[in-house]
Amino acid sequence: EPEVTQTPSHQVTQMGQEVILRCVPISNHLYFYWYRQILGQKVEFLVSFYNNEISEKSEIFDDQFSVERPDGSNFTLKIRSTKLEDSAMYFCASQATVYNSPLHFGNGTRLTVT
Amino acid sequence: QKEVEQDPGPLSVPEGAIVSLNCTYSNSAFQYFMWYRQYSRKGPELLMYTYSSGNKEDGRFTAQVDKSSKYISLFIRDSQPSDSATYLCAVSRQLTFGSGTQLTVLP
Repeated sequence: EPEVTQTPSHQVTQMGQEVILRCVPISNHLYFYWYRQILGQKVEFLVSFYNNEISEKSEIFDDQFSVERPDGSNFTLKIRSTKLEDSAMYFCASQATVYNSPLHFGNGTRLTVT
Repeated sequence: QKEVEQDPGPLSVPEGAIVSLNCTYSNSAFQYFMWYRQYSRKGPELLMYTYSSGNKEDGRFTAQVDKSSKYISLFIRDSQPSDSATYLCAVSRQLTFGSGTQLTVLP
């Protein structure tokens, strides 16, 4: 069964550094998402992406965050200057169509900011 | 009021028990309802989804939606130790998640 893959599984970075989290969505899916889960808290929506542009974003997704689909297969989340509070699991998800189809999640990247 | 409320548990049941997991939501405009299962250090895995009131069954799992009371449920029959995980309800297209209920099924 096709799946969403995320790399790396664990990323450690120093505060103020830039990180790029990578995702390969399911190949025929059209909608892409990033979610965040701080340890012990709920899964939170960050951003959705369709047709090479952001379709929706949450309050969490501020100017430090950006997303890109550089080559038609990868979908990346960039955090420009990481803060301690960015430490979390970051999940990528993809969806075939926006209506009546579920989101499929990757296994996440654990980001640790020291 | 939170958009989605879910009892975080933890919930422990003996093997073979029927498990009932519940969420309430606040926005009557929500149309899509999903249940995800999340094992430790893994991504959420889709279990069930529906966009109408009523019941939807898949094997040992039954999802129930009551739009009039804004209440969604997941029932697990003949629960197994392998069902031990955190169960997340989610609503709307971009998914607003509940906080998750941690379930342990004891052998």
